[in-house]
Amino acid sequence: GAVVSQHPSRVICKSGTSVKIECRSLDFQATTMFWYRQFPKQSLMLMATSNEGSKATYEQGVEKDKFLINHASLTLSTLTVTSAHPEDSSFYICSARALGGVETQYFGPGTRLLVL
Amino acid sequence: LAKTTQPISMDSYEGQEVNITCSHNNIATNDYITWYQQFPSQGPRFIIQGYKTKVTNEVASLFIPADRKSSTLSLPRVSLSDTAVYYCLVVRRGGSARQLTFGSGTQLTVLP
Repeated sequence: GAVVSQHPSRVICKSGTSVKIECRSLDFQATTMFWYRQFPKQSLMLMATSNEGSKATYEQGVEKDKFLINHASLTLSTLTVTSAHPEDSSFYICSARALGGVETQYFGPGTRLLVL
Repeated sequence: LAKTTQPISMDSYEGQEVNITCSHNNIATNDYITWYQQFPSQGPRFIIQGYKTKVTNEVASLFIPADRKSSTLSLPRVSLSDTAVYYCLVVRRGGSARQLTFGSGTQLTVLP
């Protein structure tokens, strides 16, 4: 149980294009999903908290107009990197919090984004 | 939320027991201790979570002393495939993701 998927697993795009990444909780419902970014040899950095049916909450320094988040249902959140640039190249990871109980987050496999 | 401190790296040999200790001096009453494992280019994988004393599952054991200011993740008989980064996190019951802060983690390298 508690499986989170991400699609695509990796994407290469040209500078200036937009890229959408999907995060799905496969066997549980998640009112809250989270998006992280991880650069090589570094730890995970929280970008934003995605709440089903409401606006996302962004961490300080993360541009909400550049990283669009939509949480359309209890099992799906999407992150769109708009007008991507090479510096946006990174490993993007989502997680979902299972309803009830102690705070436990389950992470997706990550999406490797390379912007040329 | 309580800050965690853990060793940057550890080396071990196959078949040995590995203990990774994490300090969380400012842990609060509602906080739980959670450990994740991350392989390169993969998302973190939940290993174990505990509040006090000892918790054991099929993968690891977690030892938490009475004062809860530290915790030790114990991996029995490690293999090469256990080479990964291990993160210790303090999470609050009902808390938000802002409180799920990843430190630098411990890079465990298992040698043949």
